[in-house]
Parts: sequence; structure tokens; C-alpha cells
Amino acid sequence: KNQVEQSPQSLIILEGKNCTLQCNYTVSPFSNLRWYKQDTGRGPVSLTIMTFSENTKSNGRYTATLDADTKQSSLHITASQLSDSASYICVVISQTGGFKTIFGAGTRLFVKA
Amino acid sequence: KAGVTQTPRYLIKTRGQQVTLSCSPISGHRSVSWYQQTPGQGLQFLFEYFSETQRNKGNFPGRFSGRQFSNSRSEMNVSTLELGDSALYLCASKGRETNTGELFFGEGSRLTVL
Repeated sequence: KNQVEQSPQSLIILEGKNCTLQCNYTVSPFSNLRWYKQDTGRGPVSLTIMTFSENTKSNGRYTATLDADTKQSSLHITASQLSDSASYICVVISQTGGFKTIFGAGTRLFVKA
Repeated sequence: KAGVTQTPRYLIKTRGQQVTLSCSPISGHRSVSWYQQTPGQGLQFLFEYFSETQRNKGNFPGRFSGRQFSNSRSEMNVSTLELGDSALYLCASKGRETNTGELFFGEGSRLTVL
């Protein structure tokens, strides 16, 4: 069964600290993996996309990693800011003919001053 | 180019009423999908339309329906509203040019059922 599991469910950190969010998936065949950031009451916005051959990709203070062998991805946030408070959703795309999108439940991050 | 536009952004209805939400995809995108998001829950897939045809459907009751027009704009309708239908309804469009299946989301329509 195609599934995407994220951990932790929620996380509270102090401003300026780093954190890492985890995503494990059992999606096959794998096409690519995305991390989305969703501010409260807004639509998700794509942060990074990882394809099968990519191990690391950065977008400013956000760094995503992918281990296709263990089917794990992580999103590392460096020097957190209050504006990083949001839900982070891991999304895995499977492609068999058309695209199929499998969503994780998200990690809710709270950054405190 | 302009992003995905959803209207209305906020609305309040009472139980038993019906509601129609609208979504205009990114210009050139022909695929539109709809999602329901309730507090603390992940995105739940409702349905996907491509070229005016429903291509996929999630596990929601028949009270939830949708359609897509020839200009790719899409509407979803919820009839006989229940309290549990209160949620953020998100629309996403997808184009062929990315070749990765990337979804571009609108800001959502926040529905409150009283």
C-alpha cells in the first residue's frame, strides 16, 4: 500500500535553533518527492523537489535529503525564524502512466521567540 | 503568470444548505484537483478533473461533486451541508511542462458550517 509517514507530528523549537523533520514512504514506483510548506489557513507552497538520483537539495535555510534505498527523506531547517512556523508536508509522486500523489499528514512546527 | 485562484476565500453556511466553490487554475494547466483539509488532518483527496472529465475520485459521499469547464476552471459543490464539512478546501492545478507532477495550490476556501 502506498503510504507516506511523517514524524514528529508536531515540534516546538526556539528561534535560531535548527530542526529536522522526517518522512518515510512506501510508494512504488517512485518518481519524485516534494516538501511543501503550509502557513495556517493558506495553500501549501513547494519548497523542494527530489528525484531518484538526488541526495541533497537546498533552498535557502531549508535542506532536503533523500535516501532512495531506505525510502526516507528529511527536511532540515537551519537557524529557524518565527516565520518558519507552519505545517510541512511530505508528498511523494508515483508515475505509472499518469501521476499519483500521496500526501503525508504533515509536521506542525512552532518556532518560539 | 497568475497563480491558482479560489473563490470565495471565506464563507459561512448552515446545516442543510449547499455551497459551490470555484477554482481558476494557472493559465495553460488542464488538470485541477480538489482537497479537503480539516484541523489537524492531512489533505484528503476529493477528485481530479482533466479536460472536463473526472479522472479520479476520493472516498467522499455523493454530496460532494465537481465539474470542469472548457476553460479549465473548476467548481465543486457540497449539498446538504453537515457540521463535519467545515474545512479548508484547496484546489490545485497541474501542468505538463514540469513533467514531475508538481501541484500548484490556491489559497483555499474556508467553509464554516453552523
